[in-house]
Amino acid sequence: DGGITQSPKYLFRKEGQNVTLSCEQNLNHDAMYWYRQDPGQGLRLIYYSQIVNDFQKGDIAEGYSVSREKKESFPLTVTSAQKNPTAFYLCASSRTGANYNEQFFGPGTRLTVL
Amino acid sequence: SQQGEEDPQALSIQEGENATMNCSYKTSINNLQWYRQNSGRGLVHLILIRSNEREKHSGRLRVTLDTSKKSSSLLITASRAADTASYFCATVFITGGGNKLTFGTGTQLKVEL
Repeated sequence: DGGITQSPKYLFRKEGQNVTLSCEQNLNHDAMYWYRQDPGQGLRLIYYSQIVNDFQKGDIAEGYSVSREKKESFPLTVTSAQKNPTAFYLCASSRTGANYNEQFFGPGTRLTVL
Repeated sequence: SQQGEEDPQALSIQEGENATMNCSYKTSINNLQWYRQNSGRGLVHLILIRSNEREKHSGRLRVTLDTSKKSSSLLITASRAADTASYFCATVFITGGGNKLTFGTGTQLKVEL
């Protein structure tokens, strides 16, 4: 069964704690992405990676960090520096190249800071 | 910053009616995509239209693109209750092989029985 998995589905953390969200894909896609979605809003790009061991900041990277040590995995760490981390986080992947634009999304992780 | 702006923000129709959603964007694009999101779930790709195309069909979906007006529309014909969801347009720039998507704010569609 091919696809993208994110875990956990719901996550609670206390203020001042770092937390890592998992994203795994078995679609053999080179590119992976992390988005944040706030209530009633569209998606905003946090980080993206086009190839293993390389990643770029998106529009709202402050307070977040990522790694891309394996093609299948792109974990996102929400650090204590992120001022308003409560949100719905979505991971996606795609092939690269001009003819491969469709992104495939995971089910999301809802993070709540208590 | 979000490039796409969608109109209307919310739309409520009766089953069987057509639903039209519009998307405007600000700068030149390579292509434009439409996605659907059921409440609390991930997004699902619906259709892609390239900058050199004007209209595209997929089942009950019809997408148009007017690059001179920097706008697109998504038409869902003969709507069903199961079409209830949020719909987002996303514009694409090709950047060194990676395909960044810039999403609009979305239209919430409710189809009532």
